[in-house]
Amino acid sequence: SAVISQKPSRDICQRGTSLTIQCQVDSQVTMMFWYRQQPGQSLTLIATANQGSEATYESGFVIDKFPISRPNLTFSTLTVSNMSPEDSSIYLCSVEEAGMNTEAFFGQGTRLTVV
Amino acid sequence: GIQVEQSPPDLILQEGANSTLRCNFSDSVNNLQWFHQNPWGQLINLFYIPSGTKQNGRLSATTVATERYSLLYISSSQTTDSGVYFCAVPLGSGYALNFGKGTSLLVTP
Repeated sequence: SAVISQKPSRDICQRGTSLTIQCQVDSQVTMMFWYRQQPGQSLTLIATANQGSEATYESGFVIDKFPISRPNLTFSTLTVSNMSPEDSSIYLCSVEEAGMNTEAFFGQGTRLTVV
Repeated sequence: GIQVEQSPPDLILQEGANSTLRCNFSDSVNNLQWFHQNPWGQLINLFYIPSGTKQNGRLSATTVATERYSLLYISSSQTTDSGVYFCAVPLGSGYALNFGKGTSLLVTP
């Protein structure tokens, strides 16, 4: 299975600022995704990070708020922009290999608190 | 998309007890995964099990695809089993996942 490094593991940020979360994989992967987990809730897909093109966002998430980059097959970033306390969540990066066995693996998550 | 329902939502066990967690889904799936989220928020893969039965130590899982449910069995529970257990199935026609609301498990000494 792929080894996924996500940084930072946690941060406390002031409202109105932005935070960029990095996701590094130790092998080339086809699919990369970003999820959000609000306190006490389940995981919700933010977007699919597409290599070399714009990310595909789920309903309720927009590029201006959550810009995503994916410059190659091993790296992606998610930025949480103009943060408010409602953005306090765990953000998780996930990878999958397209094919018959589409098992997903997750980074350790970034626990964000906005004050 | 495919709906996922997990039960029970909360469970408290004494150490050494056994438990069964259930995941119902609304349509046929080619992917089903069980995860354990530990108290630090890390999501740990337990099983990739679109059908059949698998075992890994004290944990086992069975998915009956034709009846649209999956079960996760935890035997001889330990305090380190505490956390939230999630079932996830494909979100739409792509490869991303749709997660159930989870079962929050607390194992007491």
